[in-house]
Amino acid sequence: QSALTQPPSASGSPGQSVTISCSGTSSDIGAYNYVSWYQQHPNKAPKLIIFHVTQRPSGVPDRFSASKSGNTASLTVSGLQAEDEADFYCGSYAGNNEWVFGGGTKLTVL
Amino acid sequence: EVQLVESGGAFVQPGGSLRLSCAASDVIFSETSMHWVRQAPGKGPVWVSRIAPDGFVTTSDSVRGRFTVSKDNAKNTQYLQMNSLRVDDTAIYYCVRDTYYAFDLWGQGTLVTVSS
Repeated sequence: QSALTQPPSASGSPGQSVTISCSGTSSDIGAYNYVSWYQQHPNKAPKLIIFHVTQRPSGVPDRFSASKSGNTASLTVSGLQAEDEADFYCGSYAGNNEWVFGGGTKLTVL
Repeated sequence: EVQLVESGGAFVQPGGSLRLSCAASDVIFSETSMHWVRQAPGKGPVWVSRIAPDGFVTTSDSVRGRFTVSKDNAKNTQYLQMNSLRVDDTAIYYCVRDTYYAFDLWGQGTLVTVSS
């Protein structure tokens, strides 16, 4: 159960787009379309923003989009806003009723 | 309002035990998979356990044999019994609802500190 790999940081100016990658293996991201993304503001619980690779829960702005290619998933935040500054985590089903998360990416809005 | 409320977090010495509880409002445990996810200070979340609607339990390698998960469907509550606690078990423990393999509802978390 190795953690998924994310860059520790990402940044962009308001209005710009930024993409965060999440690298896994053929046993997790590559094997299932059960990749999720979570946004976490300081001292808050994580919040689901993407599920099943590309789907947004109700209420999540369409500025958040995601995709997957092979063993790597990606989250794109378009039209950056100040309130997007947060930590982002990817997660994936890893088979055998087990799950794995990424180490997180701190997004800074410059 | 749909919500999860954890309790039971505390300061405990290495080797000690603790039981966490998660009470759910408007979540039908008999139809829902529930998880425990922990997050050490400054680190990413780490999956700990899952209890399926039928009560089948899976746990991560790091806690297997030390942590036990159970639930009471009538009370819509799940429990995490933690034994042989180690310093590296220190974390905020979140109760999380699973909807089709996505963690769509999180509690506020309860802090477990293991230290001598």
